[in-house]
Order: sequence, then C-alpha cells, then structure tokens
Amino acid sequence: ETGVTQSPTHLIKTRGQQVTLRCSSQSGHNTVSWYQQALGQGPQFIFQYYREEENGRGNFPPRFSGLQFPNYSSELNVNALELDDSALYLCASSDTGTSAGELFFGEGSRLTVL
Amino acid sequence: DAKTTQPPSMDCAEGRAANLPCNHSTISGNEYVYWYRQIHSQGPQYIIHGLKNNETNEMASLIITEDRKSSTLILPHATLRDTAVYYCIVTRTGANSKLTFGKGITLSVRP
Repeated sequence: ETGVTQSPTHLIKTRGQQVTLRCSSQSGHNTVSWYQQALGQGPQFIFQYYREEENGRGNFPPRFSGLQFPNYSSELNVNALELDDSALYLCASSDTGTSAGELFFGEGSRLTVL
Repeated sequence: DAKTTQPPSMDCAEGRAANLPCNHSTISGNEYVYWYRQIHSQGPQYIIHGLKNNETNEMASLIITEDRKSSTLILPHATLRDTAVYYCIVTRTGANSKLTFGKGITLSVRP
C-alpha cells in the first residue's frame, strides 16, 4: 500500500472522446508523475508536475495534459482519444526532499478506447 | 539516461536465491541504478537503488560491478509472491528525473 490512489480503476471510452483521470498523492509528496503502460510494455513517462507546474515531459502530444492542485492531487486529461491510447495509466508521487528516483505508484487506471 | 539490457525471463525454485542481471555499459558517473518490480495488475514497486557500493535492504541486495557497467539484483529466498516483472533503470536523481522503463525481466518462481 503506497498511499497513492487513482480513479477510476477501469473505464471505456470511444474514439474522439475526452477522458480525465485522477490521482491522490501520498501525504507529504509534492511531485507527481504520470506514465502510460501499453499491454506487454514497460511504463512510458508522460509528464511530471512539481508545485503545480509541469516540470518535464516525455514524447507525448499536446492532447495529453495535466494539472496539479495545491493539495498535490493531480489530473491527467486526454483529448481526442485514439485507439492506441488504450493502456494502463499510472500515477506516481515522490518527495523532492528525498531521492527523486524513488517513486510511489498507484494501482493505475485502465483505459479502453473503442 | 543510460539504457539497460535485461534478459526477457528467468525462473527459480521457491526458497532459492534469484539473481537478476542487468547491463548498463553506458552509465554515467552521476547515474544511479534503480530496481522496481511490477506484480501482475499492480503498479510498479520500488525495491532498491545504488550508485557504486553494494546495497541491501529488507527486500533485496544490489551488487554493482566495480566498473559500474552491470549489476545484479538478488532476492535471497524467493517466494511465489516474488513472481513479477523486474525493471532495472538507470537515472540521475533530481527534481525532474523521469524513469525510462524497458521491458524488464519476468521472474517466475516455481514451487
């Protein structure tokens, strides 16, 4: 149990729709990262937020966007969904006061795009 | 971040030590070696990390070669619950570090 919670756990959308995924970070953690994990692959870094500002982005298009709130909870928004967006989306939190490579992951939100 | 190479799979008997290898020949001096694992249908879990010295915690031991070009994660007494995908990752520490996961190594612990 990492203390990182994500919602919803599963959802189904159709191509072209928009989706919002939510994450509640572990208490005391001020940095949140989002990852996309396609079936059979390792997680791929989408972006990271620190103190409500985007602080690093992977190779994902602008239709992937995020927010971090003052209480350090976070959202991942994906617009104009494509079939290839079907994946497990993982949220991870960390405290910049400790080793930043040590991330605490949630259980993920599994998105299916039809 | 330096790339890592892991064999795709391995197995070991329950109660025996599991030794998981990782090659990272292009590692830089300021890069650490991290290990995470992912049990089916769960998020990745941090195991251990190190720079150049061997490290041990309650979960595992990490052995890094002197030239730092490879490392081995050791689970001293593997159990069925250790069946998972294990990722070896090399990264700098810092506020904007991102983890680059490969495909990892699938460890199957057999009864």
